[in-house]
Amino acid sequence: EPEVTQTPSHQVTQMGQEVILRCVPISNHLYFYWYRQILGQKVEFLVSFYNNEISEKSEIFDDQFSVERPDGSNFTLKIRSTKLEDSAMYFCASRLGYNSPLHFGNGTRLTVT
Amino acid sequence: DQQVKQNSPSLSVQEGRISILNCDYTNSMFDYFLWYKKYPAEGPTFLISISSIKDKNEDGRFTVFLNKSAKHLSLHIVPSQPGDSAVYFCAAGNRNYGGSQGNLIFGKGTKLSVKP
Repeated sequence: EPEVTQTPSHQVTQMGQEVILRCVPISNHLYFYWYRQILGQKVEFLVSFYNNEISEKSEIFDDQFSVERPDGSNFTLKIRSTKLEDSAMYFCASRLGYNSPLHFGNGTRLTVT
Repeated sequence: DQQVKQNSPSLSVQEGRISILNCDYTNSMFDYFLWYKKYPAEGPTFLISISSIKDKNEDGRFTVFLNKSAKHLSLHIVPSQPGDSAVYFCAAGNRNYGGSQGNLIFGKGTKLSVKP
């Protein structure tokens, strides 16, 4: 069964550094998402992406965050200058269409030291 | 601001018995509800969904019930199996909100342990 793949599985970075989290959504899916889960807390929506542009973003997704679909397969989340509170599990998700459920990747654990 | 609440952080049941996981929501604009299951070191996996026009949806051992007047939904697993042990997330959204048609609000999850 096709799946969403995320790399790396664990990323450690120093505060203030830029990180790029990578995702390969399921190939025929049209909608792409990033969610995050801070340890012990709930899964939170960050951003949705459709038709090569952001369709919605949460308050968490400030100017330090950006997303890109540089080619037909990858979907990336960039954090320009990481903060300690950005430490979390970041999940990429995709869906085929309007009424389809989200399919999540296994996540990237980001640790900011 | 907890629009989706799962008040039980954990639940333990015996194999073969029924597991009932509960979820409450506050936003009356939600029209689409889902349950996801999550194993450690994996992403959430879609389990079952229900639209607000229905009050029940069944898929094998899993049934989701929706009580719109009470803003409450529940997931029933029967019979429960040890492999069902995982964290279960309730999620809700509005399919027409903001054009994104899919940004979901998640509860904090309930950790289910099914004992053999």
